[in-house]
Amino acid sequence: GAVVSQHPSWVICKSGTSVKIECRSLDFQATTMFWYRQFPKQSLMLMATSNEGSKATYEQGVEKDKFLINHASLTLSTLTVTSAHPEDSSFYICSATRGTADTQYFGPGTRLTVL
Amino acid sequence: KQEVTQIPAALSVPEGENLVLNCSFTDSAIYNLQWFRQDPGKGLTSLLLIQSSQREQTSGRLNASLDKSSGRSTLYIAASQPGDSATYLCAVRGSGGSNYKLTFGKGTLLTVNP
Repeated sequence: GAVVSQHPSWVICKSGTSVKIECRSLDFQATTMFWYRQFPKQSLMLMATSNEGSKATYEQGVEKDKFLINHASLTLSTLTVTSAHPEDSSFYICSATRGTADTQYFGPGTRLTVL
Repeated sequence: KQEVTQIPAALSVPEGENLVLNCSFTDSAIYNLQWFRQDPGKGLTSLLLIQSSQREQTSGRLNASLDKSSGRSTLYIAASQPGDSATYLCAVRGSGGSNYKLTFGKGTLLTVNP
């Protein structure tokens, strides 16, 4: 199989704090990972593409200094929401692929609530 | 810019009915199209993937068709069951330079009533 996990599954934090979300490929090496955000009743929107060992590529309108992405190994990528505010509350989903042209395997998502 | 539209936004049917979910996309230059299921508060489960050269794919009670030239896909669910209740998402993958990116529709929320 191709299993992707995320941790935590949900998190509640105070406004102004930073939150780190982990995305792991459990049984394969993921050269590329993707981070999506989903607001209620909306589409999944791609935030950034992360390649192992290099800087992430952010989609237009996504603040790279606010959403820090690190992909230091072939099985782990992290998304850190810095100085989170209530408008950052959303469902964050990652996906992983063996190569950019391969099928994306999705994680279970992380629900972030900023008070 | 690719845009994906799903109709209807919500659908409620009695158990046992056959139903069709629709997906349309604006740019026909796609690599493939994928249907996903999403349960409330959960991640995505891939249901069917249709390559651009294919016309349809089947898995159990699910059948997905693709008409690339007209920018349309349908997901047919036969003999619906309450366990089919979920949001169904359609996503297309481009065939251009950014061919790894998926563009999602907003989904169709399906409720199958016992």
